[in-house]
Amino acid sequence: KAGVTQTPRYLIKTRGQQVTLSCSPISGHRSVSWYQQTPGQGLQFLFEYFSETQRNKGNFPGRFSGRQFSNSRSEMNVSTLELGDSALYLCASSSGLAGGRDEQFFGPGTRLTVL
Amino acid sequence: AQTVTQSQPEMSVQEAETVTLSCTYDTSESDYYLFWYKQPPSRQMILVIRQEAYKQQNATENRFSVNFQKAAKSFSLKISDSQLGDAAMYFCAYRSYSGGGADGLTFGKGTHLIIQP
Repeated sequence: KAGVTQTPRYLIKTRGQQVTLSCSPISGHRSVSWYQQTPGQGLQFLFEYFSETQRNKGNFPGRFSGRQFSNSRSEMNVSTLELGDSALYLCASSSGLAGGRDEQFFGPGTRLTVL
Repeated sequence: AQTVTQSQPEMSVQEAETVTLSCTYDTSESDYYLFWYKQPPSRQMILVIRQEAYKQQNATENRFSVNFQKAAKSFSLKISDSQLGDAAMYFCAYRSYSGGGADGLTFGKGTHLIIQP
């Protein structure tokens, strides 16, 4: 079974631009969660999507948004990029069943650099 | 809000020896899981071991075991017979469950584990 894939792996943008990151979960998984990892703040939960609906949300400004498609692939979008948005963005997939008690499998991440 | 604290930014151990990584957490929830994740230089997060709060027996996965002290809100990871491949960042994480659903993972700041050959 193929693992979680994230595209692109590396991205360079300038302040004020917007960016879209993509995550393809493991086949059969319906839940996708997104996390931001920075040296200063560590790993922080952004949001979770399950069956095309946002099921949970972390404490991030509205510039961070996401969506999920019928094939469970998910995208996250960051508008009006700031220098502080430079980070490794990780997505994790799981079946989403069992009340979220199933294991989450992480992708390799997308490294976003904002100049 | 739940918090996870890892007080050891870096640990070093000789190959084949045993090392224990510390983690404490703060929560008022009763239904939760605790996890240890490993993040090698490749940055891919890998689940090492997990513990359900309701289970008193400490989880074990081969050379990895935990010491779960629920009253003290402590969740340490013991790695026995350390191997060079164990070198990585280790993150303690927490996830609570309520209303039939789960919150996102809350992570500690991580412990950088160095294995000396």
